[in-house]
Amino acid sequence: SQQGEEDPQALSIQEGENATMNCSYKTSINNLQWYRQNSGRGLVHLILIRSNEREKHSGRLRVTLDTSKKSSSLLITASRAADTASYFCATDVAGKSTFGDGTTLTVKP
Amino acid sequence: DAMVIQNPRYQVTQFGKPVTLSCSQTLNHNVMYWYQQKSSQAPKLLFHYYDKDFNNEADTPDNFQSRRPNTSFCFLDIRSPGLGDAAMYLCATSRGRNVDETQYFGPGTRLLVL
Repeated sequence: SQQGEEDPQALSIQEGENATMNCSYKTSINNLQWYRQNSGRGLVHLILIRSNEREKHSGRLRVTLDTSKKSSSLLITASRAADTASYFCATDVAGKSTFGDGTTLTVKP
Repeated sequence: DAMVIQNPRYQVTQFGKPVTLSCSQTLNHNVMYWYQQKSSQAPKLLFHYYDKDFNNEADTPDNFQSRRPNTSFCFLDIRSPGLGDAAMYLCATSRGRNVDETQYFGPGTRLLVL
């Protein structure tokens, strides 16, 4: 089934460093969304990028989309301890979202 | 604040004993979803309601049922929970099923099956 695959599975960095996580998918999509999930909680929507867009910014977040490579990346700049969470990409095909397995980010103070 | 609420946050049940999880929303959204999420895995869509129209995923076991008595509430019924059904259950809503819709998630109910 259509699914985003994320890389790396886990990432550990120091506060202030940048964190980059990647998502690859298999078939054409309408859009791709990134969500954050704090431990034991629900998902929170971060950003949506449409298939005809290449880059979007929201605060310290930067998302890129390369439809030729079927991949997206999420960059968090100047990370903070509060950014510690799991990050999921979700691909949208015909209005239905499918989530990847996520990247677990740990930001050490 | 408008939100998606799930009760209870933690649910313990016995093997084979029916259990019901609850979700309510104050967003007045048309669509309500139920996801199952096992440890370190992606949320997996079980089914969703578009208004009163029920949409089941092809691989959702018959053991899982859902009810949506009104716009605000949606229930997940597990008729005979097995050990493999222990997971986090996430409820989400969206305004519609158009492209570019954002889903709003509740905090989840963690189910433990003894």
